[in-house]
Amino acid sequence: KAGVTQTPRYLIKTRGQQVTLSCSPISGHRSVSWYQQTPGQGLQFLFEYFSETQRNKGNFPGRFSGRQFSNSRSEMNVSTLELGDSALYLCASSLLTGTYEQYFGPGTRLTVT
Amino acid sequence: AQSVTQLDSQVPVFEEAPVELRCNYSSSVSVYLFWYVQYPNQGLQLLLKYLSGSTLVKGINGFEAEFNKSQTSFHLRKPSVHISDTAEYFCAVSEQAGNQFYFGTGTSLTVIP
Repeated sequence: KAGVTQTPRYLIKTRGQQVTLSCSPISGHRSVSWYQQTPGQGLQFLFEYFSETQRNKGNFPGRFSGRQFSNSRSEMNVSTLELGDSALYLCASSLLTGTYEQYFGPGTRLTVT
Repeated sequence: AQSVTQLDSQVPVFEEAPVELRCNYSSSVSVYLFWYVQYPNQGLQLLLKYLSGSTLVKGINGFEAEFNKSQTSFHLRKPSVHISDTAEYFCAVSEQAGNQFYFGTGTSLTVIP
């Protein structure tokens, strides 16, 4: 089976712009979770989608949003980018709910200048 | 909410020596436990998991971990490390009745030739 794929792998944006990241889960997996990883804060949970519904959300401002499509692919959007949004954004897929084992993609490295 | 503590942020160890990376979690409810490894510029790879059954869990690359319910710990061990084990290691916990993963802050393992 193909693993979790994320596009793009690298992205450079300017403050104030918006960005959309994409994640394709492992075939058959219905849950997709998103995480932000930074050196100072470690791995922080953004949100989880299951069958196109947001099941859980972390403590991030409303500038961070996401959605999931009927084929389980997910997108994450960040509007009005800030310098502090520079991070590695990781997507993880799970067969059932997000509490079961998760399989991670390679991440998207976002740099905000 | 859970908290996951990885007491050692950095662990240097000589090649072929044994290593233990420590992980403690806060909850006393039923949990699933995981160890992930992250190599530079990559996503997280699942090393091993405890879902139920035997408290000694064996994973990939010669790693094993032991679940200790009374001490709420899930320490990772390897009897003889290799240079290629140099990476960041993350402990993760999810509550069986919960809805998200909780990650520790990570332990950077450096294997010295």
